[in-house]
Amino acid sequence: GDSVTQMEGPVTLSEEAFLTINCTYTATGYPSLFWYVQYPGEGLQLLLKATKADDKGSNKGFEATYRKETTSFHLEKGSVQVSDSAVYFCASRRGGADGLTFGKGTHLIIQP
Amino acid sequence: GEEVAQTPKHLVRGEGQKAKLYCAPIKGHSYVFWYQQVLKNEFKFLISFQNENVFDETGMPKERFSAKCLPNSPCSLEIQATKLEDSAVYFCASSDGTAEAFFGQGTRLTVV
Repeated sequence: GDSVTQMEGPVTLSEEAFLTINCTYTATGYPSLFWYVQYPGEGLQLLLKATKADDKGSNKGFEATYRKETTSFHLEKGSVQVSDSAVYFCASRRGGADGLTFGKGTHLIIQP
Repeated sequence: GEEVAQTPKHLVRGEGQKAKLYCAPIKGHSYVFWYQQVLKNEFKFLISFQNENVFDETGMPKERFSAKCLPNSPCSLEIQATKLEDSAVYFCASSDGTAEAFFGQGTRLTVV
């Protein structure tokens, strides 16, 4: 079946540091790929998505590029802020009635 | 509505009691998904619906968990005879069949 693997952390960075959270997937065909963010005590918010190879999703300074050749969708941000502290989930989905397949989540801690 | 509405936000049950959780998907969305998030952040897929029909229930613990999506009613997830290990946050998501799924804020179930 489909699976998503991401670095589990916690990842601790100083404010303004460069962020990379790695994510790789295995799937039949070409799923859509997502990054969700969960702030403490809250639900899941979609951060960005990409629906086909070489697409780049971006939002709030975060970016991720759908790389078919390496089956990856790494999340990056050039300069993180304390407010970015949260748990980040990489996910894949084939669409229609198929559900999301989630990675285990990466806890990101940004220190002032 | 324009968002996935889950009720209640918090639910406390004694071991052995019944728990019932509700989810109103976004109007016009045909697909509904239930996920269980336990303490270590991992999302476990439980069940998906296409309209009122079960599409995939491979994640459902069959003995005590059941779910329904009936026309003109919120979807529901019911746990008979709750156990301590059922304590988790239960998320509902809906989709119109395109790539993106929208999540509710979750119901935190605590079994004591």
